[in-house]
Amino acid sequence: DAGVIQSPRHEVTEMGQEVTLRCKPISGHNSLFWYRQTMMRGLELLIYFNNNVPIDDSGMPEDRFSAKMPNASFSTLKIQPSEPRDSAVYFCASSLTRGEQYFGPGTRLTVT
Amino acid sequence: GIQVEQSPPDLILQEGANSTLRCNFSDSVNNLQWFHQNPWGQLINLFYIPSGTKQNGRLSATTVATERYSLLYISSSQTTDSGVYFCAVAWGSGGSNYKLTFGKGTLLTVNP
Repeated sequence: DAGVIQSPRHEVTEMGQEVTLRCKPISGHNSLFWYRQTMMRGLELLIYFNNNVPIDDSGMPEDRFSAKMPNASFSTLKIQPSEPRDSAVYFCASSLTRGEQYFGPGTRLTVT
Repeated sequence: GIQVEQSPPDLILQEGANSTLRCNFSDSVNNLQWFHQNPWGQLINLFYIPSGTKQNGRLSATTVATERYSLLYISSSQTTDSGVYFCAVAWGSGGSNYKLTFGKGTLLTVNP
């Protein structure tokens, strides 16, 4: 079984550039989550979708961040413009509604 | 919000030793998960255990929901057990009970 798939695995970009992270959830799962991991703040939830609809984006740090889920098998997290403080590992996770969450391998983002 | 505290923060073992990791949480929870983050950064599901006891090979976990804690037992540790162990809980009612709040983790090092 394919787990959660994320791309790219590593991204290095310059400050001010647009960054797009991609996620394919586990087939059949109807909830999708974007988390961010930093040394300072640990793992924190950014946004949660249920049945492709954003339910809670209270964790999104600011307007530079946006997320979409156009269909049940694809989601994007976009940062525009990127800043050095956005450097982190971004994880996507999926689950059945309120069920066990499974995480993808993460995207390590470095903004110089 | 809910507080999740893990102890000890760091643990060094010799191969073959046993260990117990603890997770305390400050409110009633709906879900509780234990993860292992390996040295490559991947989050691996260990247990989905909002209450009761489960075992998987050398690992077992117990959650006592009424007393707001969970324990992860590792027996006959191996060098491949090294990494960070996270406890994460989902709590609250309505739309918020899907959110996973993570503890800061226990860094385990198993020496040969």
